[in-house]
Amino acid sequence: NAGVMQNPRHLVRRRGQEARLRCSPMKGHSHVYWYRQLPEEGLKFMVYLQKENIIDESGMPKERFSAEFPKEGPSILRIQQVVRGDSAAYFCASSPIAGGYNEQFFGPGTRLTVL
Amino acid sequence: GQQVMQIPQYQHVQEGEDFTTYCNSSTTLSNIQWYKQRPGGHPVFLIQLVKSGEVKKQKRLTFQFGEAKKNSSLHITATQTTDVGTYFCAGEAGSYQLTFGKGTKLSVIP
Repeated sequence: NAGVMQNPRHLVRRRGQEARLRCSPMKGHSHVYWYRQLPEEGLKFMVYLQKENIIDESGMPKERFSAEFPKEGPSILRIQQVVRGDSAAYFCASSPIAGGYNEQFFGPGTRLTVL
Repeated sequence: GQQVMQIPQYQHVQEGEDFTTYCNSSTTLSNIQWYKQRPGGHPVFLIQLVKSGEVKKQKRLTFQFGEAKKNSSLHITATQTTDVGTYFCAGEAGSYQLTFGKGTKLSVIP
């Protein structure tokens, strides 16, 4: 059973470009969470999605950031017009059932560098 | 909003010494989880504590959840070089969100 997959693993963008980060949850998992981790920091919750629904996006910046989890295909975190402050590791996690009572399985992350 | 504080931020120990990291939440938690992240890696789930006063052991690791369900600790006995990494606690207070502490980075000197 493949784990959570994220791609790309490393992404370099210039200021003003768009970044698209993809996450395929573990097989059988329909709940996806995105986190951002700055160097030497903990993980900050961004958004929680189920298939075709955004359940909680309270941790996501109001502008330039969006997330989706379509019926078919991976979940995508999209950052428009990136700025240097967006440089971070972005982790996706999945779980089979909703909520924090369940272990979240993390993907390897996408390290975004904005030049 | 909910805050989870974790101390110390860094800990350097000689191999064979014990190590403890502490986690405190500003609100009562429904459960707390612990994760380990190796350098350059991703968080890996270690354990979940749900009950007030709960204590769980995994070989040399002992996890505790406070009576008030607002604090927790992870203790490692006789550290080994394989224990190197950052240990995060993550609290859940009834919503879908896990609030992570900033982690304790453990270095083990052989």
